[in-house]
Amino acid sequence: DTGVSQNPRHKITKRGQNVTFRCDPISEHNRLYWYRQTLGQGPEFLTYFQNEAQLEKSRLLSDRFSAERPKGSFSTLEIQRTEQGDSAMYLCASSLMGGLNTEAFFGQGTRLTVV
Amino acid sequence: AQKITQTQPGMFVQEKEAVTLDCTYDTSDPSYGLFWYKQPSSGEMIFLIYQGSYDQQNATEGRYSLNFQKARKSANLVISASQLGDSAMYFCAMRGSLGGADGLTFGKGTHLIIQP
Repeated sequence: DTGVSQNPRHKITKRGQNVTFRCDPISEHNRLYWYRQTLGQGPEFLTYFQNEAQLEKSRLLSDRFSAERPKGSFSTLEIQRTEQGDSAMYLCASSLMGGLNTEAFFGQGTRLTVV
Repeated sequence: AQKITQTQPGMFVQEKEAVTLDCTYDTSDPSYGLFWYKQPSSGEMIFLIYQGSYDQQNATEGRYSLNFQKARKSANLVISASQLGDSAMYFCAMRGSLGGADGLTFGKGTHLIIQP
């Protein structure tokens, strides 16, 4: 078990470009979450999947943000037409299905810089 | 809506001393869970401890304990016998039983620095 893996670890892009990040969860985990963390803040919940179903996406920051988990394994987060305000750390987490006490395991994140 | 407040942006503590990190929360959910995570400079969030809103006893995990005062809506983390490796950002978070979204709501964090 290698934990939650995120790629790339760092991404620098020009404003207006599209970017895509990948998250590979712990293999037996059926829930997968995306968070955004800006400097000096705690992570902010964006969306989550249970298997391949996206059960919550109202927290995505704008229609430029989208996420997929096509086969219920890895997930991608895409940001279209990036803006400087999108610069942040994007964290992925996974967990088993469970109750309030279910622990989420986080990856090391993808740090996005929009120039 | 849920809200977590951490009022200590940064703390300096001498090695081997105990330290308390403050967390207050607000929610209308009848049941909820409270979490503490540690985030070292590498960026990964590391789970430390969990407290359920209906748990009768305060949670403990090794050197970590949670001082849960439900009436005051506080869930402070206590680290006993601090070590240099405890230097990191610490986040309080919660998950409620209502509202649909299953993600955690985090506070802004406390930057803890342990001094030798």
